[in-house]
Amino acid sequence: GDSVTQMEGPVTLSEEAFLTINCTYTATGYPSLFWYVQYPGEGLQLLLKATKADDKGSNKGFEATYRKETTSFHLEKGSVQVSDSAVYFCALKTLQGAQKLVFGQGTRLTINP
Amino acid sequence: SAVISQKPSRDICQRGTSLTIQCQVDSQVTMMFWYRQQPGQSLTLIATANQGSEATYESGFVIDKFPISRPNLTFSTLTVSNMSPEDSSIYLCSVEGGLAGSTDTQYFGPGTRLTVL
Repeated sequence: GDSVTQMEGPVTLSEEAFLTINCTYTATGYPSLFWYVQYPGEGLQLLLKATKADDKGSNKGFEATYRKETTSFHLEKGSVQVSDSAVYFCALKTLQGAQKLVFGQGTRLTINP
Repeated sequence: SAVISQKPSRDICQRGTSLTIQCQVDSQVTMMFWYRQQPGQSLTLIATANQGSEATYESGFVIDKFPISRPNLTFSTLTVSNMSPEDSSIYLCSVEGGLAGSTDTQYFGPGTRLTVL
């Protein structure tokens, strides 16, 4: 079945560092891809998405490009802030049967001042 | 995107009791879903709440344990029945489509944090 694999965490960086969180997927066809963020004590917020190959999703300085050749959707940010500390989830929307979201295991990010 | 609220935001319950969680959306939506997030884990889909008919459950989840209602296009409930400590989780509803916006994007409520003693 469809699945998402994320970079293991936790990840700890200093403020203004460059961030990459790796995400690869296994799916039939070309699913839509998403990054969600969960701040401490809160629900999930949509961060960005891409619906077809070579699309780049971007929001709040974060970017991710849909790479079908490597089945990847890595999250990047050029200069992280303390306020970016959260858990980040990569997800895909299945194309077969019920079109549900399949999530990766999540990556906890901590940014130190 | 739609504004989604959940009640209660958190609760502490005794083993063997049941809790009903409400999800309210400020606009009509096509799809509503219920997820479970166990401590330190990712999200797992429990079921799709279907308006006017029985919910569609994922493998490993059954109606007797997690009965779901969806009486209209803006409201759904999830009941966690005969609770045990293993049911301690965050329960989240999500919505998609209709006036909520894009038909391929799910938006999540704030979650209900449940602790079972």
